[in-house]
Amino acid sequence: ETGVTQTPRHLVMGMTNKKSLKCEQHLGHNAMYWYKQSAKKPLELMFVYNFKEQTENNSVPSRFSPECPNSSHLFLHLHTLQPEDSALYLCASSQDILSNEQFFGPGTRLTVL
Amino acid sequence: TQLLEQSPQFLSIQEGENLTVYCNSSSVFSSLQWYRQEPGEGPVLLVTVVTGGEVKKLKRLTFQFGDARKDSSLHITAAQPGDTGLYLCAGPRAGNQFYFGTGTSLTVIP
Repeated sequence: ETGVTQTPRHLVMGMTNKKSLKCEQHLGHNAMYWYKQSAKKPLELMFVYNFKEQTENNSVPSRFSPECPNSSHLFLHLHTLQPEDSALYLCASSQDILSNEQFFGPGTRLTVL
Repeated sequence: TQLLEQSPQFLSIQEGENLTVYCNSSSVFSSLQWYRQEPGEGPVLLVTVVTGGEVKKLKRLTFQFGDARKDSSLHITAAQPGDTGLYLCAGPRAGNQFYFGTGTSLTVIP
């Protein structure tokens, strides 16, 4: 238990569906991250939030839309995804963006049909 | 081209054996981190090495940072089934973000 929870743990959706991934951290951290983990590829950083403000968007397609209503919660809204978007989506948090230690959640395994 | 190359990609060994996995780059890093990711979970930080030539030990795990700070190795002594998982190395890049390697998937057979 790392103090970072993610729901749902598994999600299957069609290309026309709209769904959202949720991440919550109970560590009092101020920075939160979304990563994508695909088979045979390194973890890809998608978005970074620091004190609820987005500080990084690594050229992520607009069909992925993050939302950070407060420092403890992070959402990833999904719309019109493609099969190649199927992956494990990991949320992480750290004390702030200067911290070297990130705590990861268990991930949401997403399958796009 | 991956900035951090990890080898081997897959490793399957018997319980009690020793093993070494590698993380290599052509770039110099100020530090490198090692994570372990167990099936169905997210990565968990094991160690950060920051000084060239540094050796850190965590029970049966020994981590070494290369003198030139371009590579790192993880040696496990007397592997146990609980060591099974994906071992990832990561190095910092601009903006305090991290590059991750593709990982070494280790299976320890009882």
